[in-house]
Amino acid sequence: GENVEQHPSTLSVQEGDSAVIKCTYSDSASNYFPWYKQELGKRPQLIIDIRSNVGEKKDQRIAVTLNKTAKHFSLHITETQPEDSAVYFCAASFSGGGADGLTFGKGTHLIIQP
Amino acid sequence: DAGVIQSPRHEVTEMGQEVTLRCKPISGHDYLFWYRQTMMRGLELLIYFNNNVPIDDSGMPEDRFSAKMPNASFSTLKIQPSEPRDSAVYFCASSLLPPPNEQFFGPGTRLTVL
Repeated sequence: GENVEQHPSTLSVQEGDSAVIKCTYSDSASNYFPWYKQELGKRPQLIIDIRSNVGEKKDQRIAVTLNKTAKHFSLHITETQPEDSAVYFCAASFSGGGADGLTFGKGTHLIIQP
Repeated sequence: DAGVIQSPRHEVTEMGQEVTLRCKPISGHDYLFWYRQTMMRGLELLIYFNNNVPIDDSGMPEDRFSAKMPNASFSTLKIQPSEPRDSAVYFCASSLLPPPNEQFFGPGTRLTVL
């Protein structure tokens, strides 16, 4: 089955700086890579996703890059703000074969220092 | 739409007791997923349904766990008998489109087994 590794487990950055979170996946058949944000005690919510036919996607201060050859993808947050503090999860998925659920990384606790 | 609804939000029970968690997906979403979140193992897919039919239950830990979806607007996850290692937050998610696509998570049920 799919295995997703996520680094770092904790990331502390100064407000206004950029944050980068990296994930690797094992199954080359995976073709969908979402990122979820989970605030303390809340539900995970999708913030951005990318499919394997695209190398990069941006949405305001958030961007995701995908390197299919190396089987890794990254989340980039620019101009970080206090409300960006949360746990971020990457995930990988592919359709077909009955295993259509998301395989999540262990999460990165992002701390924005004022 | 109220989003995915889960009940109860918190459950405390004693080892050996039966526990039933409930989920109401977003109306019109034909795909329903059950996840378990723990500090040690992160977010894990337990089972998912398409049109009320279980498609992939390979993540269900053991026979003590069972899930049903008697109709399009209701699903249950049952643990019988419960054990302390079942303590976790259980999330239900639903999706409008077939995997892999965005999944909308419910608020979760925090289960504590004493």
